[in-house]
Amino acid sequence: QVQLVESGGGVVQPGTSLRLSCAASGFTFSNFAIHWVRQAPGKGLEWVAALSIDGTYKYYADSVKGRFIISRDNSRNTVFLQMGLLTTEDTAIYYCARDEGAAMPTDYYFGVDVWGQGTTVTVSS
Amino acid sequence: QSVLTQPPSASGTPGQRVTISCSGSNSNIRNHYIYWYQQFPGTAPKVLIYRDSQRPSGVPERFSGSKSGTSASLAISGLRSEDEAHYYCATWDDSLGGPNWVFGGGTKLTVL
Repeated sequence: QVQLVESGGGVVQPGTSLRLSCAASGFTFSNFAIHWVRQAPGKGLEWVAALSIDGTYKYYADSVKGRFIISRDNSRNTVFLQMGLLTTEDTAIYYCARDEGAAMPTDYYFGVDVWGQGTTVTVSS
Repeated sequence: QSVLTQPPSASGTPGQRVTISCSGSNSNIRNHYIYWYQQFPGTAPKVLIYRDSQRPSGVPERFSGSKSGTSASLAISGLRSEDEAHYYCATWDDSLGGPNWVFGGGTKLTVL
C-alpha cells in the first residue's frame, strides 16, 4: 500500500543542523511532488516546503527560507529535508506528505493526499 | 495569522449536521482545489476531501465538501461521537511570492 516513512528526528541544540528523510513505497515516487509539513506541540499544521517531481521547483515557507533545503532522490524513492540554524521555534512533529500532482508551473496544482506518520524534532539547549 | 480562516471550534449533538467553513481569497481558494483533513490527537492527519468535493475510498458519505468563490465548506451529516477531531482546510496560494501550500488554523469539533 502507499506508504511514507519519516526518519531522522531527534533532540538537537539551537543553532545546529539536522537532516530528515522520508522513504516512499507503494506508488511511482517520481510521478508525485512531495511536501514537508510540521506541527508544533498543541498547534495547527504548518506547511514547510514542497518539491516538484523532478526536483527542479522548490517551494518554501517564509519561516524556513534560507535555512531549510528540500531535495529528493528518485532512484531511492526518498525525499530529504536538510534543516539548518535550528531554533526552538522549529520544535515540532515533521510530516512527509505526497501531493497528487507534479507541482510544476506547467501543470495544474493539486494537493496533499497521503501523509506519513511523522518524526519528532526537538530543539532545546 | 493563517491565510485561510476557519472557526476555532464547532460542536453538535449526535445525528446533527455540522458545517465547518474555510474562507480565503482570489489567490488561493478561487483558483485552486481545496483539501480537508481530519486529525485525531497523537496521530497524523488523514485526507477527508480532495479536489474540493471528492471523497477518498473509505471515507463515509456523511462527509461532503463544497466550494464557492473564495470560500469552502466541510459538512458532516449524521454526526457521530467518533467524528470528534480537528479539521483543517488547505490549498495552494499564489500571493506570497510564489506558490505556497497553506492551511487554515484548524477547527476543533466537539460532539456533545
